Amino acid sequence: DGGITQSPKYLFRKEGQNVTLSCEQNLNHDAMYWYRQDPGQGLRLIYYSQIVNDFQKGDIAEGYSVSREKKESFPLTVTSAQKNPTAFYLCASSTGTDNYGYTFGSGTRLTVV
Amino acid sequence: GNSVTQMEGPVTLSEEAFLTINCTYTATGYPSLFWYVQYPGEGLQLLLKATKADDKGSNKGFEATYRKETTSFHLEKGSVQVSDSAVYFCALRASNTGKLIFGQGTTLQVKP
Repeated sequence: DGGITQSPKYLFRKEGQNVTLSCEQNLNHDAMYWYRQDPGQGLRLIYYSQIVNDFQKGDIAEGYSVSREKKESFPLTVTSAQKNPTAFYLCASSTGTDNYGYTFGSGTRLTVV
Repeated sequence: GNSVTQMEGPVTLSEEAFLTINCTYTATGYPSLFWYVQYPGEGLQLLLKATKADDKGSNKGFEATYRKETTSFHLEKGSVQVSDSAVYFCALRASNTGKLIFGQGTTLQVKP
């Protein structure tokens, strides 16, 4: 079955360390997205990529970095410059067609201690 | 710009009650509209969608009608169950950007 996989589900890191969250899809979708969700809050867009080797900043890109070397993969690095990294991170993918929404992964909960 | 506004939650209902979650939007052109559901600790799942005016999306007893004249896409269900307890997000996908714009989400709690 096609889908989008995020790993790990839970991640703990010490303050000041960089950490990379994995996102892989086998849906043959061109576009991929990273969102951050804080408790009781909506979704905020961090970065998105509409094609391999290209990506754009979203609304809250500071302290994060991404790469898109393969169509299937869009890893997110949370750097030590991110002031408040503890959150739930969601990855999504989509086709280029307006009629379709996004397919979401099951999320990674990052806790920085 | 493009935006989505949802009613604030939490919404607390008894089992078998009627549910309405209001959603209105602002958009350039003719967006597609979506409702997503998020169960605790999980990602978002597409619940239903509508791609043009007067379309009705439906799934699992939930319905929403794309109303261009009122720029609304309210979610309804005739009889909620405890298992419907979740956070519901309204969203639009604008034709000019292709990006999905989400509302803030509405938490639904259904009590037995």
